[in-house]
Amino acid sequence: KQEVTQIPAALSVPEGENLVLNCSFTDSAIYNLQWFRQDPGKGLTSLLLIQSSQREQTSGRLNASLDKSSGRSTLYIAASQPGDSATYLCAVRPEDGGSQGNLIFGKGTKLSVKP
Amino acid sequence: NAGVTQTPKFRILKIGQSMTLQCTQDMNHNYMYWYRQDPGMGLKLIYYSVGAGITDKGEVPNGYNVSRSTTEDFPLRLELAAPSQTSVYFCASSYSRGRNTEAFFGQGTRLTVV
Repeated sequence: KQEVTQIPAALSVPEGENLVLNCSFTDSAIYNLQWFRQDPGKGLTSLLLIQSSQREQTSGRLNASLDKSSGRSTLYIAASQPGDSATYLCAVRPEDGGSQGNLIFGKGTKLSVKP
Repeated sequence: NAGVTQTPKFRILKIGQSMTLQCTQDMNHNYMYWYRQDPGMGLKLIYYSVGAGITDKGEVPNGYNVSRSTTEDFPLRLELAAPSQTSVYFCASSYSRGRNTEAFFGQGTRLTVV
């Protein structure tokens, strides 16, 4: 059964720091991996989608990498800002038929960027 | 572009009451999903649909029902509300389930059962 783990569960950094959020998954048979941002009391906003054949995706100050064979992904945030404070969720879309290709989520990393 | 819209945003139910959580999307997506999110936990799939008239159970379907009469709408029904169903519910949609498929989520419905 596919499991997704995010470490750390919470992270606090001063403004301006570069930081890395980690996501690991137990089964490398995935179609893609998606990073989301969730603000308190709000829905999920898609940040980056990495297809299984890709190694990384970039959007502004965000860079996500994928090492499918080792079951790892990282989300790199450059020059962090207080507005980056949110919970970041990682989700994989398995290839196997048992889960019908539906997203499987980690529990998230709660990021706090202090001014 | 509205994307995925959920109503209501908040609701308090008494034990044993029933309600329907509404979800609609305007992106002409075939696939729709319902997830629940409990504090400190990842999202768990309740039900999903691969197209109008086709639905299937996810990881935690007990106590819920769904229907998909149109491509746009995917309501979630709670028949006999229980405290264990206190959660935040998210509806999502995607065009397909392939490699370049991106999922889009609604803003959520926060449900409290007392």
